Amino acid sequence: QSALTQPASVSGSPGQSITISCTGTSSDVGGYHYVSWYQQHPGKAPKLMIYDVSNRPSGVSNRFSGSKSSNTASLTISGLQAEDEADYYCSSYTSSSTYVFGTGTKVTVL
Amino acid sequence: QVQLVESGGGVVQPGKSLRLSCAVSGFTFSSYGMHWVRQAPGKGLEWVAIVWYDGSKKYHADSVKGRFTISRDNSKNTLFLQMNSLRVEDTAVYYCGKELVVGAIDNWGQGTLVTVSS
Repeated sequence: QSALTQPASVSGSPGQSITISCTGTSSDVGGYHYVSWYQQHPGKAPKLMIYDVSNRPSGVSNRFSGSKSSNTASLTISGLQAEDEADYYCSSYTSSSTYVFGTGTKVTVL
Repeated sequence: QVQLVESGGGVVQPGKSLRLSCAVSGFTFSSYGMHWVRQAPGKGLEWVAIVWYDGSKKYHADSVKGRFTISRDNSKNTLFLQMNSLRVEDTAVYYCGKELVVGAIDNWGQGTLVTVSS
């Protein structure tokens, strides 16, 4: 199972909106509603930000939103803040009943 | 509150075995699927394995299939990862995680480092 494809880096100024893409295939992202997004700060465990494509867990800011079109899922961070600077990973359920993560995107707040 | 604490990591030679444990508290362990996820130094996340809430089904990533086995003891609120025939490329921080819904891991341990080196 190949990793889902994410851009290596995305940057934006405080207050701006950015979008991170996550491209897979019809056997993972395109075939199921089970896409999640995680935020990871250096030296820390990942944190769940979005599940089931567009749902936010309790306690996650509504500045984070998710969507999906065909084989590509997206995470949008609006009103970018300094604390949003981190690595972000998507993940998806697959047709093999396994899971796959994306390659990861480093978000930089300028 | 929910807690997941991994243990069992360390330095091991290629070809040897290691067993990781993940002790949990703060939630009904027997009601949730559990995952292992690893992260090689400076690299991204890699999904390793999942075991269903009752242990009835287990799935492993192709990269570890036949070498690693996930299991759980619901009477002891503990998750395990038996790692055999370890390779240098298995060097990583190993995280255990609780599944909120399908594939969404909402609680993570602090991670345990496994180093495979001669």
